Amino acid sequence: SQKIEQNSEALNIQEGKTATLTCNYTNYSPAYLQWYRQDPGRGPVFLLLIRENEKEKRKERLKVTFDTTLKQSLFHITASQPADSATYLCALSIYNQGGKLIFGQGTELSVKP
Amino acid sequence: NAGVTQTPKFQVLKTGQSMTLQCAQDMNHEYMSWYRQDPGMGLRLIHYSVGAGITDQGEVPNGYNVSRSTTEDFPLRLLSAAPSQTSVYFCASSPLGEEKLFFGSGTQLSVL
Repeated sequence: SQKIEQNSEALNIQEGKTATLTCNYTNYSPAYLQWYRQDPGRGPVFLLLIRENEKEKRKERLKVTFDTTLKQSLFHITASQPADSATYLCALSIYNQGGKLIFGQGTELSVKP
Repeated sequence: NAGVTQTPKFQVLKTGQSMTLQCAQDMNHEYMSWYRQDPGMGLRLIHYSVGAGITDQGEVPNGYNVSRSTTEDFPLRLLSAAPSQTSVYFCASSPLGEEKLFFGSGTQLSVL
């Protein structure tokens, strides 16, 4: 069956360190992959999108990699800050699916001062 | 610019009751969708629409109805609420051809 899995356990890191979150998928051939941030009681907010023919994408302190051979995406936050504490969701889009996204369950990140 | 607006924010229903969750967007987006979010399961697609008059089922459509009479509105109807429908519901929209979704702030629904 088709599955998307993210780090199931919460990730706790020290301020200033790099946080690395993992998104693995099976039995999909995604056209692109997205990462969202979700704060408690709020809707997800789009962060980054990476296409299947792209290896890496950057935006300020954020970096996403996409390895279609390993069927994995890594999401990095460099120089992390307590304000980065949130749940991060990865989502896949499949070709010819009309924009439907399939979401992972999310990874909770906590950055301690 | 309000973006995606969902009402109500909280709702408690009794088993068997019906209700409508409202979703409106003011960005003229063609694509709208409804997701439910349950602990440990992530967001699951219920129904979606690529334009007025066009709707289709997602992964978990049973027990829910939608219609899209205008570009702006995409209400989600629970026909006969069940405890299994206790969840947080999110509406999202995007312009066709742009893949990222814009989400509302959610409706927390409890069915007793």
